[in-house]
Amino acid sequence: DAGITQSPRYKITETGRQVTLMCHQTWSHSYMFWYRQDLGHGLRLIYYSAAADITDKGEVPDGYVVSRSKTENFPLTLESATRSQTSVYFCASSELSRGESTDTQYFGPGTRLTVL
Amino acid sequence: AQSVTQPDIHITVSEGASLELRCNYSYGATPYLFWYVQSPGQGLQLLLKYFSGDTLVQGIKGFEAEFKRSQSSFNLRKPSVHWSDAAEYFCAVGPRGGYQKVTFGIGTKLQVIP
Repeated sequence: DAGITQSPRYKITETGRQVTLMCHQTWSHSYMFWYRQDLGHGLRLIYYSAAADITDKGEVPDGYVVSRSKTENFPLTLESATRSQTSVYFCASSELSRGESTDTQYFGPGTRLTVL
Repeated sequence: AQSVTQPDIHITVSEGASLELRCNYSYGATPYLFWYVQSPGQGLQLLLKYFSGDTLVQGIKGFEAEFKRSQSSFNLRKPSVHWSDAAEYFCAVGPRGGYQKVTFGIGTKLQVIP
């Protein structure tokens, strides 16, 4: 039972380069999320997806692009990386249960990204 | 706008002592409330959640939390802390009908000393 995985776990890149962070879940959850975690800010939502081909912006979407062609994958792309995007990135997934819209989110192990 | 305040950034307790981590929220209606734990180098794991009903919620690993509407609080407690509880703890609040809008607190880092 792999659950939710992220790759790479660590990434160092340079300013201006394009970077893609991968997220894969094996539960067929409908909802997937990307967060960034920074000291003093907790977790902030970048983008989320309610289903394949349905995505929407979160709190801090600028500089990021997402896609979701398959239910199980939700890649996050930094089109032109900046130093301010140095952070730990978490992917999460969730499914509705018993008709309640707010439910448990299951998190991946995170990707630590450093932009030089 | 909804918000979560975790007033303690770091807490140190002795192994075997009791623990209370504070969480205050701001939300205009009845919220959904969560506590997550993050061990070093790991993702977040749900400890417990409150949607409705009994205001005292039991979670995994011996944790519990109490929802107090009058105080806008959802404090996390454990009667006897183990060394393995050392981690960072996040409180979160979300509205009914839209969990893509869950807001997380900045976290409380717990250190356990022998």
